[in-house]
This record gives sequence, C-alpha cells and structure tokens, in this order.
Amino acid sequence: AQRVTQPEKLLSVFKGAPVELKCNYSYSGSPELFWYVQYSRQRLQLLLRHISRESIKGFTADLNKGETSFHLKKPFAQEEDSAMYYCALRGNTDKLIFGTGTRLQVFP
Amino acid sequence: NAGVTQTPKFRILKIGQSMTLQCAQDMNHNYMYWYRQDPGMGLKLIYYSVGAGITDKGEVPNGYNVSRSTTEDFPLRLELAAPSQTSVYFCASTRLVRPSNYGYTFGSGTRLTVV
Repeated sequence: AQRVTQPEKLLSVFKGAPVELKCNYSYSGSPELFWYVQYSRQRLQLLLRHISRESIKGFTADLNKGETSFHLKKPFAQEEDSAMYYCALRGNTDKLIFGTGTRLQVFP
Repeated sequence: NAGVTQTPKFRILKIGQSMTLQCAQDMNHNYMYWYRQDPGMGLKLIYYSVGAGITDKGEVPNGYNVSRSTTEDFPLRLELAAPSQTSVYFCASTRLVRPSNYGYTFGSGTRLTVV
C-alpha cells in the first residue's frame, strides 16, 4: 500500500531561519515523489519533483530511499513562503496519494 | 490554455439532493483525478481515470460516481448528498509519462456545503 506521512501539522519559523518540512513514505516499489504548495484559498501548485532534482523558490528536496524520506528544505525562509505544503507519492498504480500537509508560518 | 476548469466554485446542497461537479481540461491529459480536501486530513483520492471509458476507485469512493466519456471531461456525481460530503473538491489531470516529467495540474476547486 502507498502511504505518505507528514508528521508536523504546523511549522512556525522566523524570516531568515532554515526550514525543513518532513515527509516519509511507505511503498514497496520505486515511487515518484512530489511536493505541492497551496497558498491561502488557491489551487495546489507543483513545487518539486524528485526526478528533476531542481531548486524552486529556494526549496530543495532529496529522495532518501534508505530512510524512505523526501524532506523539503530551504536555508532562509521568507514571509511569502507561508502556505500549506503537501508531499505526494505516485506508485505503479498511477494513484497520486497525498500526505496530510504541513502548514508553514513564517513570521517577520 | 485554460488548464483544468471546475464548475461551480461554490454550492450549497440540502441533504438528499444530487449534483454533478464538472471538471474539464484542455491539455489532452489522459489521466484525471478527483480529490476532496478536509481540514487536517489533506487530500483524499475519490476516483481517478486513466483514459476515456476507464475509471477506478480511490481511497474514499463511497457516495460518489464518475464517468469519463471523453478525454476532456471527468464529472463527479453525488447522488444523495450527506453532511459528511461537505468539503472542497479538487480535480486534477496529468499526462502519462514514466517517470513523470509532468506534475499534476489542479483546478481551482469547488466548495460544497451540505446542510
């Protein structure tokens, strides 16, 4: 079965502080992992894909198969980063399964 | 390109009423999905479709039905609305490529309240 766990419902930091949003997954095959962001009352937007190994808006995420994790990181948080962040997994059944999300609050 | 279009944006239903949430995409995506978003619960997959004429259940299909007669449209039907179906509903689509070089494109959502 596919499962995505985001252990933190809320993460609060001050502007300029480092951020790490945790994501752990459970899947027996080779997963595809994504991070999505949802700003207040807006639609979900793709932030990162693990296969792209890209940095978007200063965020990066590395797939660690040994720890079955895909944590999202940013060295210096900005106020505009405040949003809901969802980790998602797509397995070979083509279902995209989401975690419960972490709300990031960045204070000035 | 309109992307994924959902209608209506808001709706209030009485218990027992029926309605169809519309979803259309103009990107020629073969995969389409319906999710519901509840506070603290994240997004739960209701139904999905891998192409016209093919649909399958997700995590929480009870109380819903779908059809996929064309590539573009993927309507979600609520036959007998219940208060537990009060939620925000999102439709999404993607192109089938493995590994996926494409993310999933989401609609703007339908906020449904059942009273």
